[in-house]
Amino acid sequence: RKEVEQDPGPFNVPEGATVAFNCTYSNSASQSFFWYRQDCRKEPKLLMSVYSSGNEDGRFTAQLNRASQYISLLIRDSKLSDSATYLCVVNGGGTGANNLFFGTGTRLTVIP
Amino acid sequence: NAGVTQTPKFQVLKTGQSMTLQCAQDMNHEYMSWYRQDPGMGLRLIHYSVGAGITDQGEVPNGYNVSRSTTEDFPLRLLSAAPSQTSVYFCASSYRTSGRGDNEQFFGPGTRLTVL
Repeated sequence: RKEVEQDPGPFNVPEGATVAFNCTYSNSASQSFFWYRQDCRKEPKLLMSVYSSGNEDGRFTAQLNRASQYISLLIRDSKLSDSATYLCVVNGGGTGANNLFFGTGTRLTVIP
Repeated sequence: NAGVTQTPKFQVLKTGQSMTLQCAQDMNHEYMSWYRQDPGMGLRLIHYSVGAGITDQGEVPNGYNVSRSTTEDFPLRLLSAAPSQTSVYFCASSYRTSGRGDNEQFFGPGTRLTVL
């Protein structure tokens, strides 16, 4: 079983729509959770960390459900510039440079 | 700050050739890592380092060597290139993990490698 699983999409949504992505992880001891954004042919960049109580950054809301071992990302009022691949990243239960696992990414296209 | 830099951006090799992918960071990060990204696979860790002089293997280390003689530099060597090593390679760095968990990984722009 993969450490981190995501629906690869693609998700094609109109501008202004709300879209949600889910990601499941297999290690119940995981402690750190992140969403990264990767534009086409570019490097991943941190979008936001995911905290136990859930957190919001402008139009973006991240939630963590430890009981069901999934995290979610909600994007409200989608913009054309939100078109990208969103990577779910989870640590493997310990800490350190060798302990992050990346999902394959969910591709989002926002349509005018 | 330049952040994390990688060279070259593109490279084509023939099977059996060797080469070094360069990575440097100017943020004084303790941790540095090399990942490869393949379609449908996500990023996979090749080698990593928690400080100068310390390196260790990740998930897919075979066919690659690394060294970390300085905090800034973390080159990745392909010993004898194979078509299976065709991929996009990303170098990343971060501060040492703290009691608050893992820190943000900063990625370089990537090297697109094709092995014929």
